[in-house]
Amino acid sequence: DTAVSQTPKYLVTQMGNDKSIKCEQNLGHDTMYWYKQDSKKFLKIMFSYNNKELIINETVPNRFSPKSPDKAHLNLHINSLELGDSAVYFCASSPTGGGTDTQYFGPGTRLTVL
Amino acid sequence: AQRVTQPEKLLSVFKGAPVELKCNYSYSGSPELFWYVQYSRQRLQLLLRHISRESIKGFTADLNKGETSFHLKKPFAQEEDSAMYYCALSGAGTASKLTFGTGTRLQVTL
Repeated sequence: DTAVSQTPKYLVTQMGNDKSIKCEQNLGHDTMYWYKQDSKKFLKIMFSYNNKELIINETVPNRFSPKSPDKAHLNLHINSLELGDSAVYFCASSPTGGGTDTQYFGPGTRLTVL
Repeated sequence: AQRVTQPEKLLSVFKGAPVELKCNYSYSGSPELFWYVQYSRQRLQLLLRHISRESIKGFTADLNKGETSFHLKKPFAQEEDSAMYYCALSGAGTASKLTFGTGTRLQVTL
């Protein structure tokens, strides 16, 4: 199946822990993104990478660190997790990163911080 | 700065009734507008975009630059249209950021 995949689907952890979410796309796209969807379903971009290079870095705490080992993968590492980090995190990819691109989304990772 | 406003959090309509999901935007340049949809237990996916000028699943949306709007319409709602709908805006250039509205939940009832 050609798609954007994320692991894990669910992540429950304690405050203060460090966790990672992995994302992979086999669509051959150059650009990948991380979005955060809060409890009110508001979706906001966090980061984007084009061919392993950071392109968009929104006002996100530096506890969040994206890493792109190659253009098919974009992982999100979160240090010192806080209650407010609880959300659904979506990975997405698009062909070029241009404004007319369609973005293709992963299934989401529901992070719960206790 | 780019901004997308969807004034309705929830829109409830009867099956067969017309649907209009409102979207207004603020952007200084030439915008690219999209509607994305998230059905229950499915991933977010593109429904349509203004540059394609097409009708998808009976939905259409016209970009009105004068009113800075991109409302989504369907003449006859179906039960399977029940979902969360997001209007989104991007600039035309490379490395553009996609900004989403807060979403409208469409509920189609019998």
